[in-house]
Amino acid sequence: GAGVSQSPRYKVAKRGQDVALRCDPISGHVSLFWYQQALGQGPEFLTYFQNEAQLDKSGLPSDRFFAERPEGSVSTLKIQRTQQEDSAVYLCASKSGSSSYEQYFGPGTRLTVT
Amino acid sequence: AQKITQTQPGMFVQEKEAVTLDCTYDTSDPSYGLFWYKQPSSGEMIFLIYQGSYDQQNATEGRYSLNFQKARKSANLVISASQLGDSAMYFCAIDSGSARQLTFGSGTQLTVLP
Repeated sequence: GAGVSQSPRYKVAKRGQDVALRCDPISGHVSLFWYQQALGQGPEFLTYFQNEAQLDKSGLPSDRFFAERPEGSVSTLKIQRTQQEDSAVYLCASKSGSSSYEQYFGPGTRLTVT
Repeated sequence: AQKITQTQPGMFVQEKEAVTLDCTYDTSDPSYGLFWYKQPSSGEMIFLIYQGSYDQQNATEGRYSLNFQKARKSANLVISASQLGDSAMYFCAIDSGSARQLTFGSGTQLTVLP
């Protein structure tokens, strides 16, 4: 594919449910980022992968949030026991290497927790 | 820690006129990059322009230019000859950390009037 893709585009979860959000980065891109964007705010950094290694997870808001990228390509962000404050758009971005600057963003997954 | 401040929640501009969107930043990193992204109502983040902290000349990309004033820690975006399709949310961002993750401002909603 030409760009970063994310699925599902929309997800409604009842409070307490677990959700999994998928990101397919641009083929060959080494670096992958997850961001959380609350309504009316700028995106906030969650976590970063270089290939399959999760090098920074300082932005994950709680231990209910977990991300993986087992083969260095597709990544999954999992949220356990969702809460209403988890409602946001989750954006994935990739870039070709750690020294490149431009991050390419996916369309995001809008999560609504009811 | 890095911080981006965008003081204009909303801006209006007449079609075909130029507009400046303000951005100030704070960082302790000696080397950093400044970015502007556009986010239309459809939600995707579109990269517009990049300025490295050591770049001597202000960056330009078509109708977009970045007015970089390092001593003032400002990185304003100038859009020339505004078009109706420029109506969107605009985010200023700075990269940091070993991963060069982005820290975003709160955004400016630009509306282009016919």
